[in-house]
Amino acid sequence: AAGVIQSPRHLIKEKRETATLKCYPIPRHDTVYWYQQGPGQDPQFLISFYEKMQSDKGSIPDRFSAQQFSDYHSELNMSSLELGDSALYFCASSTRTGNTEAFFGQGTRLTVV
Amino acid sequence: AQSVTQLDSHVSVSEGTPVLLRCNYSSSYSPSLFWYVQHPNKGLQLLLKYTSAATLVKGINGFEAEFKKSETSFHLTKPSAHMSDAAEYFCVVSLSGGYNKLIFGAGTRLAVHP
Repeated sequence: AAGVIQSPRHLIKEKRETATLKCYPIPRHDTVYWYQQGPGQDPQFLISFYEKMQSDKGSIPDRFSAQQFSDYHSELNMSSLELGDSALYFCASSTRTGNTEAFFGQGTRLTVV
Repeated sequence: AQSVTQLDSHVSVSEGTPVLLRCNYSSSYSPSLFWYVQHPNKGLQLLLKYTSAATLVKGINGFEAEFKKSETSFHLTKPSAHMSDAAEYFCVVSLSGGYNKLIFGAGTRLAVHP
């Protein structure tokens, strides 16, 4: 069965650079969530989208932005990267109706040097 | 405000012995609670979910959890540990009742010894 696909799996960037993380949800899933998991930390909710509109916002820095496209894939754009942005970024998808399970991707490991 | 506290950061058991991973929650209303597992270099996988139906919830891989409102607890148990159960386990509460804005506990790393 198709799962949530995240790309790239690993990314190394220098301070002050920009990064774009991509998430491809499970087919027919209309809701995407982004989480950030720092080293040894629990995942923190960043932002979510439903039907291409932002639905909820968590602890997402102003340097980050995200959007969901017409094919429901989502991109997390991160600018002016800082060392503290090094983390595992998870994307999850679900269907909005029926309170269905959110399936997580394997994550993108971002390292800022 | 909703929050979860996982009482043990590390739990070590022998293969074939019971597993108990403890979780207490704080919520201003009847919460939705989840347990997720994270194997090394893998994404988060849902083990089980409580959403105000039966208080004893059965999940995958032989895991189950019991919702105890009086104790504000949602402990995860398994009668007999398997080597493949070694992983990080997260107790999670939902702010919205659904899968949006999940609040994760700090995690419990389960080690299983032969």
